[in-house]
Amino acid sequence: GNSVTQMEGPVTLSEEAFLTINCTYTATGYPSLFWYVQYPGEGLQLLLKATKADDKGSNKGFEATYRKETTSFHLEKGSVQVSDSAVYFCALSDQGGSQGNLIFGKGTKLSVKP
Amino acid sequence: GAGVSQSPSNKVTEKGKDVELRCDPISGHTALYWYRQSLGQGLEFLIYFQGNSAPDKSGLPSDRFSAERTGGSVSTLTIQRTQQEDSAVYLCASSSVGGQSYEQYFGPGTRLTVT
Repeated sequence: GNSVTQMEGPVTLSEEAFLTINCTYTATGYPSLFWYVQYPGEGLQLLLKATKADDKGSNKGFEATYRKETTSFHLEKGSVQVSDSAVYFCALSDQGGSQGNLIFGKGTKLSVKP
Repeated sequence: GAGVSQSPSNKVTEKGKDVELRCDPISGHTALYWYRQSLGQGLEFLIYFQGNSAPDKSGLPSDRFSAERTGGSVSTLTIQRTQQEDSAVYLCASSSVGGQSYEQYFGPGTRLTVT
């Protein structure tokens, strides 16, 4: 079945460091891909998405490119801030058409130190 | 505007008791999803409602779990005869339209602890 694998954390970086969180997926069709973020004490919120191959999603300085050839959707940011400390989840939509329930990776906890 | 709300925010119950968890989606959203977040299993899909269509129950882990959505709005997730492995955060999400490219908006969750 469809699945998502993302790098395990925790990841600890200094402010202004470069961030990469790897995400690969297995899917039989053409899923949409998402990164969700969960800040401490808050609910899950969408960070960015890409709906077809070679699309690049971007938001708040974060980027991820939908790579069908490598089945990957790695999250990157050039210069992280303390406020980026959160848990990041890679996800894909399961089943085409009218459903779209999400399959999530295990999550990667990011801590950014000043 | 108001986001997705869930109640209660925390629930502690004894093993064997039944619990009901409530979700109020964003007004006008036709699609509603329930997920479970636990340490061992991560985030798992449970059930999906879209308008008046029959729900997709393919993620429910056992027949002790059920859910309903009244009037196309509020949803209740019921767990009967709770077990310790049911302890988790139960998340509700809604979307303006059901579909793989539409953003889901998540509520804050209900933390369930079964003692």
